[in-house]
Amino acid sequence: QQQLQESGPGLVKPSETLSLTCTVSGGSISTTHYYWGWIRQPPGKGLEWIGNIYYSGGTYYNPSLRSRVSISVDTSKNQFSLRLNSVTAADTAIYYCARLVSTVTTFDNWGQGTLVTVSS
Amino acid sequence: EIVPTQSPATLSVSPGERATLSCRASQSISSNLAWYQQKPGQAPRLLIYGASTRATGIPARFSGSGSGREFTLTISSLQSEDVAVYYCQQYNNWPLTFGGGTKVEIK
Repeated sequence: QQQLQESGPGLVKPSETLSLTCTVSGGSISTTHYYWGWIRQPPGKGLEWIGNIYYSGGTYYNPSLRSRVSISVDTSKNQFSLRLNSVTAADTAIYYCARLVSTVTTFDNWGQGTLVTVSS
Repeated sequence: EIVPTQSPATLSVSPGERATLSCRASQSISSNLAWYQQKPGQAPRLLIYGASTRATGIPARFSGSGSGREFTLTISSLQSEDVAVYYCQQYNNWPLTFGGGTKVEIK
């Protein structure tokens, strides 16, 4: 059973860049069966899809964040990463990485999530 | 962007009774809808995809139905461990979008 684990700073200053990495264990990230995605959840609120990436590097982003977001993949480390620029307090959220089944575009395996707070 | 709208916001159900949750899409999404369960302090868990197919390991008391714009998640006999927030997600069009959630509690 694959496992996903987020890592990165829990506190980011306004206007700076949020950077998170998701490490995938128990199987290769280089598979045609899955995309690899990021979802966030502000405290006490609902879920927002950020974007996802294929092992070959192809990406989809939420248009609401496209100007500030970048997702990359490192197949040699079995990791994928999120960068969100010019953050504000509105970007404070639990950030989840997740596996996205390519045939039905649903998230069937999630990391535990990591809280990122934007504050000076 | 397709907007899924869930109702009710909160549902109180007695143990052993049926819980019925609704999700309505702003336009037709065929059967391209999933349901997730999120317990407090945990990541969401996939329950249903394709509107009615249970994911691996999901108990039979969870069932999904619907197509087009109207969808339903039914918990046939509510158990205490089913207390959670339930989200629907459409995947007919990009961007992927989630409903606002229905909180299920024990009456």
